[in-house]
Amino acid sequence: DAKTTQPTSMDCAEGRAANLPCNHSTISGNEYVYWYRQIHSQGPQYIIHGLKNNETNEMASLIITEDRKSSTLILPHATLRDTAVYYCIVRVYSGNTPLVFGKGTRLSVIA
Amino acid sequence: ETGVTQSPTHLIKTRGQQVTLRCSSQSGHNTVSWYQQALGQGPQFIFQYYREEENGRGNFPPRFSGLQFPNYSSELNVNALLLGDSALYLCASSLAQTGENTGELFFGEGSRLTV
Repeated sequence: DAKTTQPTSMDCAEGRAANLPCNHSTISGNEYVYWYRQIHSQGPQYIIHGLKNNETNEMASLIITEDRKSSTLILPHATLRDTAVYYCIVRVYSGNTPLVFGKGTRLSVIA
Repeated sequence: ETGVTQSPTHLIKTRGQQVTLRCSSQSGHNTVSWYQQALGQGPQFIFQYYREEENGRGNFPPRFSGLQFPNYSSELNVNALLLGDSALYLCASSLAQTGENTGELFFGEGSRLTV
């Protein structure tokens, strides 16, 4: 079972920041937080991952709380092409553990 | 574009039949994993192959089997198809140093199976 809880759906106005929350209160010390997204009819796409420090790349920023029990994915300037299902996953960085997907958050970016 | 290609993109089978789905990994990747995604659900892990051997399996029965070839391409075989096997089947490749999946997974666009 997925170890994360996410809202079922969210809306965001085009050009505004999209903030997607994720709860992972049972996260272990050696587990990272990963974010993937899945645009309709495509395979999941890696976005970003982090352990405890905030991370930023060309796609998004990841903010992890100090107690690591929750995180927020931030898309700074959402576009219509960001409409997708966003999955928050906790996973050990090493080992043979697979990605365990929940149902994710369906983000709709509105013009 | 992830460099992971799957075939066929769509197929229809009858209950009880067998199906083979194929995946070509991204160049340089030595690990492939397969996921099943039912409508409205997140992908579910089926199994993973590293250097031609299965090194991880999810909660799927033995009629789900796989192969990885020396060129790291892979097949997923499902025997005795059930109506509940209708789903999108996703292949993902990655680079692992010692069979440990440490990095991001690159997914193909999937094969949609209708039983």
